[in-house]
Amino acid sequence: DQQVKQNSPSLSVQEGRISILNCDYTNSMFDYFLWYKKYPAEGPTFLISISSIKDKNEDGRFTVFLNKSAKHLSLHIVPSQPGDSAVYFCAASALHGGSQGNLIFGKGTKLSVKP
Amino acid sequence: DVKVTQSSRYLVKRTGEKVFLECVQDMDHENMFWYRQDPGLGLRLIYFSYDVKMKEKGDIPEGYSVSREKKERFSLILESASTNQTSMYLCASTSGSTNEKLFFGSGTQLSVL
Repeated sequence: DQQVKQNSPSLSVQEGRISILNCDYTNSMFDYFLWYKKYPAEGPTFLISISSIKDKNEDGRFTVFLNKSAKHLSLHIVPSQPGDSAVYFCAASALHGGSQGNLIFGKGTKLSVKP
Repeated sequence: DVKVTQSSRYLVKRTGEKVFLECVQDMDHENMFWYRQDPGLGLRLIYFSYDVKMKEKGDIPEGYSVSREKKERFSLILESASTNQTSMYLCASTSGSTNEKLFFGSGTQLSVL
């Protein structure tokens, strides 16, 4: 059973516009959420995170929004650039739960930013 | 910067071979992980280790084993490689205080023929 779901396998956006990547989760014990970015033939790199005590975290062009009641988070990239083209993974952990805080990853969304 | 180094970027093996994937990290991290990434399936945890000589099964441990004899090194072993183990293998590490920010290696693309 998937605990972290990224329902859009791919997303295509024009350069300069906003990219919105969505992620849903089912486990109410999750209290920390992260986004990772992965280029082909490279390992994922950490992008941005948010604790469940917040509903928004911003870092430059990247903003993550968390809606706990809906068990939904989203990553906004504004403005989108061709170099943002990559696979984005949503991940969650229950730091204070019984799972030892292991990250649970979604299946990823492939973002293509067209010039 | 944290460096997680995987010994091979590309590897081709034959069915039935024993395969060793090596991972070394240079930040004295307690926790190390092995994932595999497959298209449409995301990242799936194979095994992890929170200490030397310690190992725990992840979500898909079947067909794999691991070894952690030294803190900086975590090896993934395919006892008898099969074609369904063709995948991108990713090693990661993090400090003991929290698991949320994983540092990944560049990955090993393994093809089993």
